[in-house]
Amino acid sequence: AQTVTQSQPEMSVQEAETVTLSCTYDTSENNYYLFWYKQPPSRQMILVIRQEAYKQQNATENRFSVNFQKAAKSFSLKISDSQLGDTAMYFCAFNTGTASKLTFGTGTRLQVTL
Amino acid sequence: EPEVTQTPSHQVTQMGQEVILRCVPISNHLYFYWYRQILGQKVEFLVSFYNNEISEKSEIFDDQFSVERPDGSNFTLKIRSTKLEDSAMYFCASSEQGRTGEQYFGPGTRLTVT
Repeated sequence: AQTVTQSQPEMSVQEAETVTLSCTYDTSENNYYLFWYKQPPSRQMILVIRQEAYKQQNATENRFSVNFQKAAKSFSLKISDSQLGDTAMYFCAFNTGTASKLTFGTGTRLQVTL
Repeated sequence: EPEVTQTPSHQVTQMGQEVILRCVPISNHLYFYWYRQILGQKVEFLVSFYNNEISEKSEIFDDQFSVERPDGSNFTLKIRSTKLEDSAMYFCASSEQGRTGEQYFGPGTRLTVT
């Protein structure tokens, strides 16, 4: 079975600081894609960053970067220079290609404070 | 920038009634999905659709659910006889052809069954 585990239900970080959200997953597939989605209070699902499992280089998107450890099946999200607008629920997810379903973790609620 | 749209944003219905949730995927996308999120819980896959047929469905997607692409732009989810436990946020997503794995989500429809 394919599973995603986010062990931090809630986290808090001060504005301008750096925070890391953890995610582990389990799959028997060798080719797959990993994602972090952000869900603000509006409940819209917004793609933050994407990583292809066959790429060793960690993905980076402005203030967002990942630490992808394929052997450990770990995919953490680092947010640098945290902003108030980063306050949201963050979901880790993966799938095995275009046609396949996304499997989500239970989410981490991130609160950015002044 | 192209986006997935969903209507209505909020639907209130009585138990036992039929509801149709509508989605307009991104125009050049060929893969379509429905997910649901019960309040406070993770996002769960319901069904994927490609080439005018269901490609995968979850255990949640029982005989009460159906999907249709009635024309070249719309993608609908029908719940025939709603139950209280169908109350959730329903997200439509779409993905373009190719193994990028990336899915773009609509803003969601909040379904409340009373």
